[in-house]
Amino acid sequence: DGGITQSPKYLFRKEGQNVTLSCEQNLNHDAMYWYRQDPGQGLRLIYYSQIVNDFQKGDIAEGYSVSREKKESFPLTVTSAQKNPTAFYLCASSSRDSYNSPLHFGNGTRLTVT
Amino acid sequence: QQQVKQSPQSLIVQKGGISIINCAYENTAFDYFPWYQQFPGKGPALLIAIRPDVSEKKEGRFTISFNKSAKQFSLHIMDSQPGDSATYFCAASKGAQKLVFGQGTRLTINP
Repeated sequence: DGGITQSPKYLFRKEGQNVTLSCEQNLNHDAMYWYRQDPGQGLRLIYYSQIVNDFQKGDIAEGYSVSREKKESFPLTVTSAQKNPTAFYLCASSSRDSYNSPLHFGNGTRLTVT
Repeated sequence: QQQVKQSPQSLIVQKGGISIINCAYENTAFDYFPWYQQFPGKGPALLIAIRPDVSEKKEGRFTISFNKSAKQFSLHIMDSQPGDSATYFCAASKGAQKLVFGQGTRLTINP
């Protein structure tokens, strides 16, 4: 089955440590996205990439970094500079072939930083 | 201008009733309005979407109503079932640009 795989499902880190969240897709989609979900705030865009080796900041990029070395992979690093890193992180992808193609989401990674 | 405001934040409906969730937007350039459904521990999934050239779109028990002049759109779930209990997000975008999401509505259908 085609889809998006996020790993791990739960992640625990100590404050001051960087942590990398994995996102892999086998949908052959060009575009990939990272969203952060907090209660009552909806989904906020962190970074997105429309093509390999290129990415753009979203609305809340501070304290995060990404890379897009392969079409299938779009890892997100939460750095120690992110002030409130504890959240549910969602990766998504979409095709650039069709106008307004729907986002396909992974099942998320819940990150807890203490 | 980029915001999409969603209400209510939470909603409880009896089985068989109608669930209604509302969204409002400011940017008149938005031309794509999807709704996403999310179950606990899962990622959101596209439920239904509408373009501003129509005022209503129905898929099974789910209907989007769109009011372009009021810059509002809503999701109606007819004959609501316990399996519809989930968090619902409205969203909007201009062309192929990135989606702007509402704050989400946690819907509970009581049996």
